[in-house]
Amino acid sequence: GENVEQHPSTLSVQEGDSAVIKCTYSDSASNYFPWYKQELGKRPQLIIDIRSNVGEKKDQRIAVTLNKTAKHFSLHITETQPEDSAVYFCAASRAGTALIFGKGTTLSVSS
Amino acid sequence: EADIYQTPRYLVIGTGKKITLECSQTMGHDKMYWYQQDPGMELHLIHYSYGVNSTEKGDLSSESTVSRIRTEHFPLTLESARPSHTSQYLCASSESKRGGTLAKNIQYFGAGTRLSVL
Repeated sequence: GENVEQHPSTLSVQEGDSAVIKCTYSDSASNYFPWYKQELGKRPQLIIDIRSNVGEKKDQRIAVTLNKTAKHFSLHITETQPEDSAVYFCAASRAGTALIFGKGTTLSVSS
Repeated sequence: EADIYQTPRYLVIGTGKKITLECSQTMGHDKMYWYQQDPGMELHLIHYSYGVNSTEKGDLSSESTVSRIRTEHFPLTLESARPSHTSQYLCASSESKRGGTLAKNIQYFGAGTRLSVL
């Protein structure tokens, strides 16, 4: 089955800096890669996703890149703000199957 | 408003009790899932269902059971609760967006049930 590795487990940055979280997956048939943000005490929420026919996708300050050959994908957050502090989860799945999540990255943005 | 509703939000029970965690969605989704998560930690898939009368076990071994008799309802039952079951339980649902083999499986989560077994 699919296995998703996520690094780093914790990440601390200064406000305004960039943050990068990386994930690798094992199942070459996986074709959907979402990222979820979970603020303290709240439910995980989708912030951006990418399908395997696209190499990069951007939405304002966040972007995701995908390298299918190497089987890894990354989340990039630019100009970080304190409200970006949260736990971020990457995930992977084949079409129509359950998402398999990475272990999460706790991002702390200090002002 | 379309959403995923979980009840109760908090539950404190004694060891050995039978409990059912409720999950209902008004999203019109065909797929539903249960995850176990300690605060801020990894999301462990414990059960999922791709439709009525279809249930499967996830990656994390669980002593719980589920049923899917109605599309919108996916309850999780613990026959005999133990302190090791203390955790947060998150219900989620999804529908595959059109796209064939490139279909998305966008999952939406409920607010969760925090369970404490004494």
